[in-house]
Amino acid sequence: QSVLTQPPSVSAAPGQKVTLSCSGRNSNIGFNYVSWYQQIPGTAPKLLIYANDQLSSGIPDRFSGSKSGTSATLAITGLQTGDEAEYFCATWDNSLSGGVFGGGTKVTVL
Amino acid sequence: QVQLQESGPGLVKSSETLSLTCTVSGFSITTAYYWGWIRQSPGKGLEWIASKYYTGSTNYNPSLKNRATISMDTSKNQISLELTSVTAADAATYYCARGGDNYYFSMDVWGNGSTVTVSS
Repeated sequence: QSVLTQPPSVSAAPGQKVTLSCSGRNSNIGFNYVSWYQQIPGTAPKLLIYANDQLSSGIPDRFSGSKSGTSATLAITGLQTGDEAEYFCATWDNSLSGGVFGGGTKVTVL
Repeated sequence: QVQLQESGPGLVKSSETLSLTCTVSGFSITTAYYWGWIRQSPGKGLEWIASKYYTGSTNYNPSLKNRATISMDTSKNQISLELTSVTAADAATYYCARGGDNYYFSMDVWGNGSTVTVSS
């Protein structure tokens, strides 16, 4: 059971938009920055978004992040087959005094 | 560009100590970043293990119950991880990454990972 809750999977057709949610608590998302990672099977995670909504270097602006209260969202517009991957959210947890990740959301392009 | 490369034994016996090294090229680990270790068990999510700043500030995942030690060799530009008393639950791919402080907690450069199997 992960500290941050993500839906296991989402799917959409090419060109569509998907939104991935990440739910936490005041001790983590509520008071700290959220980052998002993309992991294609067999490869290392790649940073997409840091500080809630800042795009990492080289990441297309089809990806965007936001945060409200104790939840964060990653949006992917103009979905492409190359976006098929697992997506993880992460933040610091003040109660645990450590970093925490969500369980991941698998994105399938139909 | 910045590159991270993990190295380790691949196979560790249960109850023994796992030792991994991350060699950083293209960037000095004494520049203003934390450096950390994250692992991923087969088919599972990511688990943060520890992060360290070159001046000494260190954070550990409390769930590892003091079994983990992160260290740096600035002369070799390397970060190391030791995990004692390993069990089957420690079998995973171990990644080193740049970042992981307790403010942004974002890791912008990752190694390719080192797979560790635990034998009985």
